[in-house]
Amino acid sequence: KAGVTQTPRYLIKTRGQQVTLSCSPISGHRSVSWYQQTPGQGLQFLFEYFSETQRNKGNFPGRFSGRQFSNSRSEMNVSTLELGDSALYLCASSLDPTGGRAEAFFGQGTRLTVV
Amino acid sequence: ELKVEQNPLFLSMQEEKNYTIYCNYSTTSDRLYWYRQDPGKSLESLFVLLSNGAVKQEGRLMASLDTKARLSTLHITAAVHDLSATYFCAVDRGIQGAQKLVFGQGTRLTINP
Repeated sequence: KAGVTQTPRYLIKTRGQQVTLSCSPISGHRSVSWYQQTPGQGLQFLFEYFSETQRNKGNFPGRFSGRQFSNSRSEMNVSTLELGDSALYLCASSLDPTGGRAEAFFGQGTRLTVV
Repeated sequence: ELKVEQNPLFLSMQEEKNYTIYCNYSTTSDRLYWYRQDPGKSLESLFVLLSNGAVKQEGRLMASLDTKARLSTLHITAAVHDLSATYFCAVDRGIQGAQKLVFGQGTRLTINP
């Protein structure tokens, strides 16, 4: 069974540009969450999608946005990149956050470097 | 605002010794997770603890949850070098079934021969 797939694995962008990251969840999983990991702030929740609806959003500026498609694949977009956006972006999928089947499986991440 | 605190943040151990990592959280939750992260890698799920008193064991690792004390522990028995990694606990603060994990700072564990 394939795991969570994130593309691309590495990205280098210039300040002011925008970037789109992609996440394909485990087959059958309908919940997709995004997290940012930096040495200074640790792991922080960005947003969560279920059946194409954003159900939860973290404390990030509006430059960070996302969406989910009907096949549960998700994308996140960061516009007007800043140096501080350099981070490992992790996507997680889960089968069903309720009813005891709450385990979230993480992808390998996308390492974004803003120069 | 939910805060999740782990201690210690750094732990250097010798092989064959036992030790415990503590995870305290500030508001009520009955869903707690432990993850392992190797350098440059993603998060590997270790344990999902879904009720007060839950205890789960896998190999040399055992995790427990006390929701009344808002405390989870990850106990390492007879450590081996392969267990060197960073360990995170995370509490689920999602509402109405929506998952939102709040992570601790991580405990960097180094096991020396």
